[in-house]
Amino acid sequence: DVQMTQSPSMLSASVGDRVTITCRASQSISQWLAWYQQKPGKAPKLLIYSASTLERGVPSRFSGSGSGTEFSLTISSLQPDDFASYYCQQYHSYSETFGQGTKVEMK
Amino acid sequence: QVHLQESGPGLVRPSQTLSVSCSVSGISISSGGYYWTWVRQLPGGGLEWLGYIFNGVTTYYNPSLKGRLTISEDRSKNQLFLNLTSVTAADTAIYYCARDSGRAARPVYFDRWGQGSLVTVSS
Repeated sequence: DVQMTQSPSMLSASVGDRVTITCRASQSISQWLAWYQQKPGKAPKLLIYSASTLERGVPSRFSGSGSGTEFSLTISSLQPDDFASYYCQQYHSYSETFGQGTKVEMK
Repeated sequence: QVHLQESGPGLVRPSQTLSVSCSVSGISISSGGYYWTWVRQLPGGGLEWLGYIFNGVTTYYNPSLKGRLTISEDRSKNQLFLNLTSVTAADTAIYYCARDSGRAARPVYFDRWGQGSLVTVSS
């Protein structure tokens, strides 16, 4: 399986901050990466696929970049609704695998 | 609007079989072209892909489950089912059903999720 490693595991930030989360794959996955947001007690919500394509309805302050083994999710100006956990997922190789998650908490 | 809703037993005894169902509305699962999927979230937060069923016939499972998992569907009821045998405490998790975006080529990502069903394995 392709191992996905996110960093940091947790970060503290304030409203308005620019936030970047990194996801590294144990082997090249080209651009086959998705990002999800999850709030407590809720299911994951798709934010980005193909590393950089924004899912319909997702605010433009979210962006994704990267290819190969290194990827990032950036929130350009953190909003109160963005305090949540974020997960990356590769869909290049069977079986699909997820990163361990990054929790964005209020500073 | 596609909606998925899981229903599970809440508590399962060790060595027994864990069964969770997923009712789908807003789309017929027999319409084809989608990977109807089960994902679980362990107590530490990690997400694990369990398997999916495609076009009602073809199933793919995570090898880590070592043959304990069966995914099926009832097209007349528009429902999906997960059965996991010989469970242990390590199978305690929130079980989600999900659907892929319709790429019709695995592996896939997931754009529709149910709200999840917490299943605890304990005696």
